[in-house]
Amino acid sequence: AQSVTQLDSHVSVSEGTPVLLRCNYSSSYSPSLFWYVQHPNKGLQLLLKYTSAATLVKGINGFEAEFKKSETSFHLTKPSAHMSDAAEYFCVVSGGSQGNLIFGKGTKLSVKP
Amino acid sequence: EAGVTQFPSHSVIEKGQTVTLRCDPISGHDNLYWYRRVMGKEIKFLLHFVKESKQDESGMPNNRFLAERTGGTYSTLKVQPAELEDSGVYFCASSQGFGTSGGYTQYFGPGTRLTVL
Repeated sequence: AQSVTQLDSHVSVSEGTPVLLRCNYSSSYSPSLFWYVQHPNKGLQLLLKYTSAATLVKGINGFEAEFKKSETSFHLTKPSAHMSDAAEYFCVVSGGSQGNLIFGKGTKLSVKP
Repeated sequence: EAGVTQFPSHSVIEKGQTVTLRCDPISGHDNLYWYRRVMGKEIKFLLHFVKESKQDESGMPNNRFLAERTGGTYSTLKVQPAELEDSGVYFCASSQGFGTSGGYTQYFGPGTRLTVL
């Protein structure tokens, strides 16, 4: 069975400092992994996805994630946080042959001025 | 290109009433998914349509929930009768294909916030 664990429910950073949101996955086969973001009162937006091509995946708004099979991790990073990055972030794995998504519990990112 | 739209954005009903949520997928997307997030929990899969057929409804919580996609375009999710535990945000998503190998992107709507009093 597939699952994801987001290791932090809340992360707080100062504007201009790096962001690290941690995610570990469990999958019985080579997974497709995604990061989605939800800004307040908005829908879910895809940040980036990994589908067994390059292990370092670049997404929108300066975010990137690295797939590490040996560590079963897919952490999300950004070199310099911006106030507009404050949102909830979800690590997601594709659930199986049907393609339904399995979500982590989410990490709320706060950015302090 | 229009994204996934959902209606209504908010719904407040009393226990025992009926509510119908609507989702309009991106034009040309045969695959339509419903998800739900109840407060304090993770977003969970409810069901998956391919065109008008239910491909997977393993996530539907009980028979008070009925999803339809007549004609393979928009979809409705009816809750009848609603219970307190049905409160949450209901998301709809659509994609061109499905399956793990393709990593097909699911595009989400803004969600419908359902409150059952």
